[in-house]
Amino acid sequence: EDQVTQSPEALRLQEGESSSLNCSYTVSGLRGLFWYRQDPGKGPEFLFTLYSAGEEKEKERLKATLTKKESFLHITAPKPEDSATYLCAVQEYGSGNTGKLIFGQGTTLQVKP
Amino acid sequence: ETGVTQTPRHLVMGMTNKKSLKCEQHLGHNAMYWYKQSAKKPLELMFVYSLEERVENNSVPSRFSPECPNSSHLFLHLHTLQPEDSALYLCASSREGVGEQFFGPGTRLTVL
Repeated sequence: EDQVTQSPEALRLQEGESSSLNCSYTVSGLRGLFWYRQDPGKGPEFLFTLYSAGEEKEKERLKATLTKKESFLHITAPKPEDSATYLCAVQEYGSGNTGKLIFGQGTTLQVKP
Repeated sequence: ETGVTQTPRHLVMGMTNKKSLKCEQHLGHNAMYWYKQSAKKPLELMFVYSLEERVENNSVPSRFSPECPNSSHLFLHLHTLQPEDSALYLCASSREGVGEQFFGPGTRLTVL
C-alpha cells in the first residue's frame, strides 16, 4: 500500500535553532515529491517539487532533499514566521492523468523568539 | 483575482440543507481537485476533473456531488450532510493532472 509518513508530528524550536523534517514514502514508482506549507485555517502553499534522488531545492531558509526512500526539509536559522504545518505529498506514475497526490499527516513547527 | 479562489470561506448548514461550494482558478490549468481536510488526518482526495471530465471519484458518499462546467470553475454540491462531514474543503488546480497542485484558501464547513 502506498504510504507517506512524516516525522516528527510536532517540533518546537528556538529562533535560530536549525533542524530537519522527515518524509518517508513507499510508492511503486515516484513521479514527484512535493512540499507544502499550511498556516492555520488556510490552504496549503506550494514550496518545492523534487523528481529524482539526489535532487535539492532551496528557498530562503528552507532546503528540500530527496533520496529513494525519503525527503528532508531542512530549516536553517528559523524565524517565528516559519511557524506552520509542513506537508509532504507524493505522486506516482500509476496515477495516470488523475494527478493524485498522497499526503502525509504533516509536521507542525513552532519557532519561539 | 489571482491563483485559486473559493467561496464561501465559512459555511454553517443543517443536515437537511442544500448548499454549494464554488472554486475558480485563474492559472490557466486544466485539472481541478476537491480535497477534504479533517483534524489530525491527511488531506483526502475526493474528486478529480481533467479537461472537464471526472477522472477520479474516491469512494465519496453521494451526498457530495461535483460539477465542472469548464476548466476554470468547479463546484461541490452538498445535500443532507452529516455532522462528521464538518471539515475544511480545499480546491486545487494543476496543469494536465501532473505535477504540483495549487490550492485555494478553503471553505470551513460546519454541519449542525
